[in-house]
Amino acid sequence: GAGVSQTPSNKVTEKGKYVELRCDPISGHTALYWYRQSLGQGPEFLIYFQGTGAADDSGLPNDRFFAVRPEGSVSTLKIQRTERGDSAMYLCASSPSRDTHTEAFFGQGTRLTVV
Amino acid sequence: RKEVEQDPGPFNVPEGATVAFNCTYSNSASQSFFWYRQDCRKEPKLLMSVYSSGNEDGRFTAQLNRASQYISLLIRDSKLSDSATYLCVVTPGGGSQGNLIFGKGTKLSVKP
Repeated sequence: GAGVSQTPSNKVTEKGKYVELRCDPISGHTALYWYRQSLGQGPEFLIYFQGTGAADDSGLPNDRFFAVRPEGSVSTLKIQRTERGDSAMYLCASSPSRDTHTEAFFGQGTRLTVV
Repeated sequence: RKEVEQDPGPFNVPEGATVAFNCTYSNSASQSFFWYRQDCRKEPKLLMSVYSSGNEDGRFTAQLNRASQYISLLIRDSKLSDSATYLCVVTPGGGSQGNLIFGKGTKLSVKP
């Protein structure tokens, strides 16, 4: 299991509820990314971590979305007061360094459905 | 204007055909360029990086034109297994160095 692991693989929640999505990056990877992908669209950038800090959170759509990476490894994406429009595939990726030429490895995603 | 734009396709081609995809990006400070491949209901995977001098990997050739802010991917001798969505990816540079900005993807379907 050396790849990026995301849990759960599927999450169905009711409108207004709080959800947490977890990402376990490849061991030793310092960069971690969260993306959201809707059907027929490319992945939409949400937030990027270098180590423990959010290097760029400009993609978070509003203050209902928050992400942490307290120990520089596992990251959690948190969505408060979920809305039906939050339904999408949430993808996490990691890469080994801050070098922009290095490959980003993606997890298989968490499919979030808000009903 | 979107940061990364691609023709969504679909491109329907017969086996053995040569097909080319194009991508334009809006940020002239962009630093790194990639093509990713995404199979249906799967995660994106790196196909190849794109360098200023152009680069080739087997049947795949990628080109970058910084002056025109344009990236291309050429696939020769298409195989059925090449059917997928091809995503153009750019890192915006400057203060956002490290982000990966994706296009919507171009869907390729290779038919027997």
